[in-house]
Amino acid sequence: SQQGEEDPQALSIQEGENATMNCSYKTSINNLQWYRQNSGRGLVHLILIRSNEREKHSGRLRVTLDTSKKSSSLLITASRAADTASYFCATDGRETSGSRLTFGEGTQLTVNP
Amino acid sequence: GAVVSQHPSWVICKSGTSVKIECRSLDFQATTMFWYRQFPKQSLMLMATSNEGSKATYEQGVEKDKFLINHASLTLSTLTVTSAHPEDSSFYICSATRGHADEQYFGPGTRLTVT
Repeated sequence: SQQGEEDPQALSIQEGENATMNCSYKTSINNLQWYRQNSGRGLVHLILIRSNEREKHSGRLRVTLDTSKKSSSLLITASRAADTASYFCATDGRETSGSRLTFGEGTQLTVNP
Repeated sequence: GAVVSQHPSWVICKSGTSVKIECRSLDFQATTMFWYRQFPKQSLMLMATSNEGSKATYEQGVEKDKFLINHASLTLSTLTVTSAHPEDSSFYICSATRGHADEQYFGPGTRLTVT
């Protein structure tokens, strides 16, 4: 089974700086998604990038996907204290059906005001 | 749109008792619902996938007799933790998909503590 691995596990930055998180996976995918989770809460969908896409933007978010390296990155520009949360990548594998997601270990982002 | 709710948001129960958690899609009909478990500071682990009117598909290592899933309608799925033990204490999160879309909409989670 595939497993998403993320680095760094924890990231602490100052408000206004950019935050970059990386995700690697092991098997072929249909798409890769990024989610955000505030402590003790459910997940919020941020962005989905399909296997035939290389880059996608949404507001202050920029996601890249390199299927040859089986990796993705999430960039948050001009970070704010409210961006403090855990960020997870999740892959929807080609060998599965019904949108079964495999989640990475997550990156805990702390944005200091 | 695409709001998913869970009830209760937290529950404390005694060892040996059963607990039911509800997951509802409030403003859409959910094609498929998923149940996840998350231990502190860890990632989400998929427990099972359920479709309305059919039996749930459990992930390897998840006991189907212990974690009973009933997907009674297109807007409601329930997870019952039977004969709960302290090691079942966890954060349980459901999600739902709409139509054939890839995005999953997540509920706010239920914190289960078994004493």
